[in-house]
This record gives sequence, C-alpha cells and structure tokens, in this order.
Amino acid sequence: GDSVTQMEGPVTLSEEAFLTINCTYTATGYPSLFWYVQYPGEGLQLLLKATKADDKGSNKGFEATYRKETTSFHLEKGSVQVSDSAVYFCALIYNFNKFYFGSGTKLNVKP
Amino acid sequence: NAGVMQNPRHLVRRRGQEARLRCSPMKGHSHVYWYRQLPEEGLKFMVYLQKENIIDESGMPKERFSAEFPKEGPSILRIQQVVRGDSAAYFCASSPLRTGGNSPLHFGNGTRLTVT
Repeated sequence: GDSVTQMEGPVTLSEEAFLTINCTYTATGYPSLFWYVQYPGEGLQLLLKATKADDKGSNKGFEATYRKETTSFHLEKGSVQVSDSAVYFCALIYNFNKFYFGSGTKLNVKP
Repeated sequence: NAGVMQNPRHLVRRRGQEARLRCSPMKGHSHVYWYRQLPEEGLKFMVYLQKENIIDESGMPKERFSAEFPKEGPSILRIQQVVRGDSAAYFCASSPLRTGGNSPLHFGNGTRLTVT
C-alpha cells in the first residue's frame, strides 16, 4: 500500500553544516508531497510542498525536489542553524485527503 | 484568522476516567483528522471526519475511543476509561474542501494527555 519511509534519527550536526534527510514513498499514482516541521511542544507546521514530478518546494532555506524516477523527496538545507533543531516529517497526500506520514527525523544542531 | 484550535493543551486524568479533547478547525475547513503521537515517536492516524460523518476510522482502537464532528461546534475525541497507555499527545488537523487533492493539513498545537 501507500507509505512514506524516512531516515531514522537523531541527526546531529554542527551549525552551518549541510543537511539531508532522506524520504522515499510508495504510491500508486501521483501524490502530492510535503515536509512538515515540529518544534518542541508544538504541532506540525507545513515547511514546503511539491505537487508534481520535478517540482521543487522551498522555504526558509530548505528545499526538496519531487523525483518520480526514484520516488524520493529528500529534504536539504545548505547551512543549518541551532534554531532548525526540530523533528521533520515527510508526508504524502493521495486519492483526495488520504494522508501518510513518515515516522519523523529528529534534528539536533549544535553551536 | 485563527488556526486550528485545540483544548485543553494539557489534560490529566486518573485511570478509569473519561477524557474529552476538542478541536475547532480553521475557518472554512470542513475536514478534520485526529492523530496520536507517543513520546519520541511519529504520528499515528486515528480518524478522519467531515461534518456529521466519519469518513475513515481505521486507526481508532475498537474500544473506548470515539470521535464526532457535529454540525455545530468543535470536533470531539472521547476516550472512556483511560489507561496509562493512552498517555500521549493528540493532534487535530484540518483541511478545506477537496481542491484537487493538493491541500495540506493544518495542525493544532495538540492536547497532551497524562493518565496517572
């Protein structure tokens, strides 16, 4: 069935390091893809999205490209900050309002 | 321009009591989802509702849990006879009417239930 798999955490980086969080999906069709971020004690916030193949979503220095050939939507940022420390969730929507979330990847950024 | 509102933010119940969690979706949103998040874990889908209609409850435990989204008022997630294993953060999310399937979910800040 449809699902989302993302790399396990925690991921620990130093400030200004390059970030990649891998996400792959399984879906029969053409889902829309999302990254959400969850800061401690809060709900999930939409970070970026892509709705079709080769689309690139971007926000706050984060980027992810919808790769249909590899069924991936990896999250990247060129230079992380301490304030980026959070849990990141990859998600897809398929077949109208059917959402699937990955298990989340915790990012710790050290000064 | 309020977002998804959940209350209470924190709820403490003794074993055997009932917990009622409320969620008011964003203005104009008619779809509500409930998710559960255990400490240090991901989100687990529980139920998807529209006004007066349960669309998908495949993630709801068969006993003690129920959800509703009445014509007027917030969506309610109800847990009867709570047990320690129910301790978790419960998140509500909403989305508007179908717009081609691309609408993201908007989340509330959650209700953190502690069962003592």
